[in-house]
Formats: sequence, structure tokens, C-alpha cells
Amino acid sequence: SQKIEQNSEALNIQEGKTATLTCNYTNYSPAYLQWYRQDPGRGPVFLLLIRENEKEKRKERLKVTFDTTLKQSLFHITASQPADSATYLCALSGGPNFGNEKLTFGTGTRLTIIP
Amino acid sequence: DTAVSQTPKYLVTQMGNDKSIKCEQNLGHDTMYWYKQDSKKFLKIMFSYNNKELIINETVPNRFSPKSPDKAHLNLHINSLELGDSAVYFCASSQDGHGVNEQFFGPGTRLTVL
Repeated sequence: SQKIEQNSEALNIQEGKTATLTCNYTNYSPAYLQWYRQDPGRGPVFLLLIRENEKEKRKERLKVTFDTTLKQSLFHITASQPADSATYLCALSGGPNFGNEKLTFGTGTRLTIIP
Repeated sequence: DTAVSQTPKYLVTQMGNDKSIKCEQNLGHDTMYWYKQDSKKFLKIMFSYNNKELIINETVPNRFSPKSPDKAHLNLHINSLELGDSAVYFCASSQDGHGVNEQFFGPGTRLTVL
């Protein structure tokens, strides 16, 4: 069965350092991979989308990579700030050409940036 | 101006009762979803509607019945509530249902079944 795992349940990073979160998947060939941020008591908020034929995507201090050979995505936050503390979710979909249109979410990583 | 709204935010009820959660989006999206997030924070899709038509129906007990009166609204009705139904339920919408577009989530409804 399809499985999406995010590296660790919780990650503590010193302020100013780069936080790197990992999303690994098995028994899946996603066409699209998305990253979301979720704060306590709130719904997830979309951050970035990367396609299977894209190696890397950037948005301000965020960078996402997508390696379909390793079946892995890395999510980086550079110059991390306490305000970046949240749970980060990766989500995969097959896209319209794969007949798998639903978004399947990973287990999430709770990131804490320590001042 | 709230993009995706849900009511109520909190719902506490007894086992065996029937309850409904309402969702509305003002983004003009064609597709709406219901997700369940359990106590371990795992977010799992339940249903998806595209232009009022059901397109995704995961293995959800038939006590759960979604209804979409128009493409801006997707309500969730739950019959004979059980303890295991306690969770946070999120409504979401996207431009279409092809998994290529970002999804916009509502604030969630925390359901507690006693």
C-alpha cells in the first residue's frame, strides 16, 4: 500500500540555521508534491508545489527538491525564525494523467525554532 | 473575507446522536473536500465533490453522508455518532480536483463524542 513518511515527528533547530525536513514515499509514483504548514488549531496552509519533472522550487526562504529516483522530497527553510515553528505536511498526488487525483498527506513534522 | 468557512468550530455531543457540519467557500472553486484529522494529527481525505458531483469516496462508514447543494457548499452529516468519530474535520476547496492545484482549508471543526 502507499506510504508517505516524514523524517521525524519533531525537529528542533536553532534560530538562523537551515531547517531540513524529509518526505519519503513508497509504492507510489506521484506527479505532484505539495508542502503545507499547519499551526495549532488551524487548517493547513499551502506553501509550495513541485512537479515530477522539476528538481527544485524556491519561494523566498523556502526551497523544495523532488527526487523521483530516491522517492524523496526535501523541504528547506533557510535563516529560520521562531515564527517558522509549526507542523509541516507533505502531500502527494498522481495528477490527472495518473488517475489518482486525491491528495495523500504525510505524517507531518513538528518544527520548533529555538531562539 | 474568509475563503473557506466551517460551522460550528466546536461540536460536543453524545454517542448515537446525528450531527451536521457546514462548509462554504467563496473562491469560485469547482472542487470541495472533507478531511478527517485524528488525534495523531494524521490528515486523511474522506470525500471530494466536483461541481456538486461526488468524485472521491474513501472507505468511510455510510453513517457519513456528504451533501453539496451547490458548488460553493459542501456539508457533512453524521448519523449515529460513535466515540471513534471524535476528531477534527476540515473542509477544503481547490480550483479543480486533479491534485495539481493547491487546496485551501477551512479552520476545522473539532468534534468530541462522549
